[in-house]
Amino acid sequence: NAGVTQTPKFQVLKTGQSMTLQCAQDMNHNSMYWYRQDPGMGLRLIYYSASEGTTDKGEVPNGYNVSRLNKREFSLRLESAAPSQTSVYFCASRYTPGGEQYFGPGTRLTVT
Amino acid sequence: AQSVAQPEDQVNVAEGNPLTVKCTYSVSGNPYLFWYVQYPNRGLQFLLKYITGDNLVKGSYGFEAEFNKSQTSFHLKKPSALVSDSALYFCAVTPRGGGGNKLTFGTGTQLKVEL
Repeated sequence: NAGVTQTPKFQVLKTGQSMTLQCAQDMNHNSMYWYRQDPGMGLRLIYYSASEGTTDKGEVPNGYNVSRLNKREFSLRLESAAPSQTSVYFCASRYTPGGEQYFGPGTRLTVT
Repeated sequence: AQSVAQPEDQVNVAEGNPLTVKCTYSVSGNPYLFWYVQYPNRGLQFLLKYITGDNLVKGSYGFEAEFNKSQTSFHLKKPSALVSDSALYFCAVTPRGGGGNKLTFGTGTQLKVEL
């Protein structure tokens, strides 16, 4: 049982480049989430998917898109990266609204 | 809209002493409340949660938290701190019912336990 996995672990992009962060969970969870973590700001929700086939904006969605490919996989795409998107990105999943979220190990992204 | 406040950026405590990490929240209706811990270069790990019932919730690694509805607080406590407890701690809230899928986190409190 791998839990929540994320790829890649590290990435450096130039301004304007695009990339997709991949996330997968093997716990049969319904809901999946993408967060970014910045010093002094805690975790901020970018997008979430309450169930397969649905996605919704979180607190900071601008500059990002998501795809819930199936129940297991939830990807985050940066179409045109900006230095302000330099951050650590975490994917998470949970089974029910009252249940705890399980987090992946994170992707450290630097945009130069 | 829901929000979480962790008023202390850092808490320092000597090993063996009790520790408290503070959290207050704002949410419509009754909340689900959570504490998570993050070690350096790792993802967040679940510590404990309040759903309903007893206001004192016990969790992993000897941690507990007390839900106080009147003060809208959910402080994390441990009777005797260990050096290995040093980490970043996050409080989080989600409302029951509508919007229940969105977890809002505090900004985190760095706990430093010294010998």
